[in-house]
Amino acid sequence: DIVMTQSPDSLAVSLGERATINCKSSQNLLYSSNNKNYLAWYQQKPGQPPQLLIYWASTRESGVPDRFSGSGSGTDFTLTISSLQAADVAVYYCQQYYTTPFTFGPGTKVDIK
Amino acid sequence: QLQLQESGPGLVKPSETLSLTCSVSGGSITNANYYWGWVRQPPGKGLQWIGSMYYSGSTYYNPSLKSRVTISVDTSRNQFSLKVNSVTATDTAIYYCARHFGPALDSWFDPWGLGTLVTVSS
Repeated sequence: DIVMTQSPDSLAVSLGERATINCKSSQNLLYSSNNKNYLAWYQQKPGQPPQLLIYWASTRESGVPDRFSGSGSGTDFTLTISSLQAADVAVYYCQQYYTTPFTFGPGTKVDIK
Repeated sequence: QLQLQESGPGLVKPSETLSLTCSVSGGSITNANYYWGWVRQPPGKGLQWIGSMYYSGSTYYNPSLKSRVTISVDTSRNQFSLKVNSVTATDTAIYYCARHFGPALDSWFDPWGLGTLVTVSS
């Protein structure tokens, strides 16, 4: 199985400041034939299902604020919230869909400082 | 707008079978462009992919659960189902159904159902 790790486990950021979450996969997620990274990011608020933010590592889902951005390639990826808003308090998960079994990172909890 | 809704018993006894149904509205489960899946989340913990299926009946399971899991489809009702047999307390979780986005299994999940909590306890 591809193991996904995330860092930090949690972080607290002041409103308007940048939040950075890292995700690392145990295997390469870049498919050479199409040059795409098979990685998605989700946001989960308490009592709600995960909501898609980013796919192909850096493509923002329609309707997602542009303060959310994804970057990285291969085995190392980053989700950045450029200016944290109160509505962004949540747990964030990365997920690889390169191969089955699809696996998720353990999550990073983002709070307001 | 596509919506998914999980339904089934919220309490299952140890050693029995957990059975859930995902009802799809706003779109057809036989749309050739999509796969459909189940993901679970133990209370306060992370997400685990259980398995996925295509409307034709093809199924794909997490090897860690494969021996106990069956996913099936009822195209006439626009539903797909999950069965987990021989459950234990470790199967206690919120169970989500979700659609794979795109014409291939190797795609992200969007949208998700609201989830249903299943507790395994005597």
